[in-house]
Amino acid sequence: GDSVTQMEGPVTLSEEAFLTINCTYTATGYPSLFWYVQYPGEGLQLLLKATKADDKGSNKGFEATYRKETTSFHLEKGSVQVSDSAVYFCALSDPNYGQNFVFGPGTRLSVLP
Amino acid sequence: NAGVTQTPKFQVLKTGQSMTLQCAQDMNHEYMSWYRQDPGMGLRLIHYSVGAGITDQGEVPNGYNVSRSTTEDFPLRLLSAAPSQTSVYFCASSPGGGYTEAFFGQGTRLTVV
Repeated sequence: GDSVTQMEGPVTLSEEAFLTINCTYTATGYPSLFWYVQYPGEGLQLLLKATKADDKGSNKGFEATYRKETTSFHLEKGSVQVSDSAVYFCALSDPNYGQNFVFGPGTRLSVLP
Repeated sequence: NAGVTQTPKFQVLKTGQSMTLQCAQDMNHEYMSWYRQDPGMGLRLIHYSVGAGITDQGEVPNGYNVSRSTTEDFPLRLLSAAPSQTSVYFCASSPGGGYTEAFFGQGTRLTVV
C-alpha cells in the first residue's frame, strides 16, 4: 500500500537558520502531496500542497517541490522563526482511491531564539 | 465560520465504558473521516464516509463504530473502551473529488484507565 516516510526528529534550530525536512513516498498511482503543520494543542492545518510532478507548493516562506523521479516532497524554509516551532506532517492522497490520506510520523521542530 | 468542530476536547474513561466522540462540519463537505494520532506513528485512518448513509473501514477500525445520517455529522463510537484506545482523535472533512486538502478539527484527547 501507499506509505510516507519522513525524518522524525526532533529538529532543533536557531532562529534564522535554514530548515529542511525530508519526505519520501511510495504510491501505486499519482498522488497529491501535502505538508500539514500542528501547533501545540491544536489540530492539523494545511501548510502547502502539490498535485502533480514538478509542482511547487509554497506558503508562509515554506516551499516543497513534487519530485516524481525521486518520489520526494522535501519541506524547506530559508529562515525559521520561533513561531515556526510545531510538528510537521508529510501526507499523500491518491485521487484514484478516494480522499483518504496517508501520513508520515511527523517531525517536531523547535526553534530557539 | 466554525469549520470542523469536535467535542469533547478531553475525556477520561474507565476500561469497558462506552462513549461517542462528536464531529460536525458546516462546509457541506461530502467526505468525512476519523484518525487517531499516536506518538511516532502519524495519523492513522479509523473510519471514513463518502456521503450520508455511506461508511467504510480504514486502517485501524477495530473497537470503533461510525454512522453518517446527515452530511454535517459523523460521530465515532467506542463500544467498550480499552487502554490501547488512549490516543488523540481527529475528525476531518473534505469536498472530495481528488486533489483537495482535508480540514481538521481541534482533536479529542482520550485517556482510558
